[in-house]
Amino acid sequence: DAGVTQSPTHLIKTRGQQVTLRCSPKSGHDTVSWYQQALGQGPQFIFQYYEEEERQRGNFPDRFSGHQFPNYSSELNVNALLLGDSALYLCASRRQGLARPGANVLTFGAGSRLTVL
Amino acid sequence: AQSVTQLDSQVPVFEEAPVELRCNYSSSVSVYLFWYVQYPNQGLQLLLKYLSGSTLVESINGFEAEFNKSQTSFHLRKPSVHISDTAEYFCAVSDRPLQGAQKLVFGQGTRLTINP
Repeated sequence: DAGVTQSPTHLIKTRGQQVTLRCSPKSGHDTVSWYQQALGQGPQFIFQYYEEEERQRGNFPDRFSGHQFPNYSSELNVNALLLGDSALYLCASRRQGLARPGANVLTFGAGSRLTVL
Repeated sequence: AQSVTQLDSQVPVFEEAPVELRCNYSSSVSVYLFWYVQYPNQGLQLLLKYLSGSTLVESINGFEAEFNKSQTSFHLRKPSVHISDTAEYFCAVSDRPLQGAQKLVFGQGTRLTINP
């Protein structure tokens, strides 16, 4: 059973460029969240998608946008890249709406490491 | 809003020694608490979680954590560590019940280094 898969694993961009990161959730999961983990820091919540809509958003500028597709996969887009956007971007998935507490704990992917030069 | 403070950024210990990684949280509502582990160049893996019930929770690889509501803490312990436990450990709190939109708030992480 495949877990959460992310692509690409590594990429290098220059300031001002745009980047798209992709995530396929774990089988059976329908909700996708994105987190940014800067070097030496804990992950920070960017946003969450469910039923192809953004449901909750963290404290990130509008340069960060996302999308969820009918097959539950998701993309994270970052425009006008800054040096400070260099980080590991983590995707996490879960299944929404299960009645049993704890049944829908997040499963994380290995991340996409973005370097902005 | 929730916040999490991990009191030690680095913890070096010798193999087979006990270890405690400290975590305190701040919240005005009931919370769910988690410990995640991150091995080098990998994503996060759930180590253990507190949702309700017994305040002492255990993982399959010998770690345990105790939820202390009065002290707003969720410290992680292991009585005897192995070289393979070398990793970054993150404490996290959920700001809402697990139904509905969920956001995890993470601490800064504690780097556990096991020396032979």
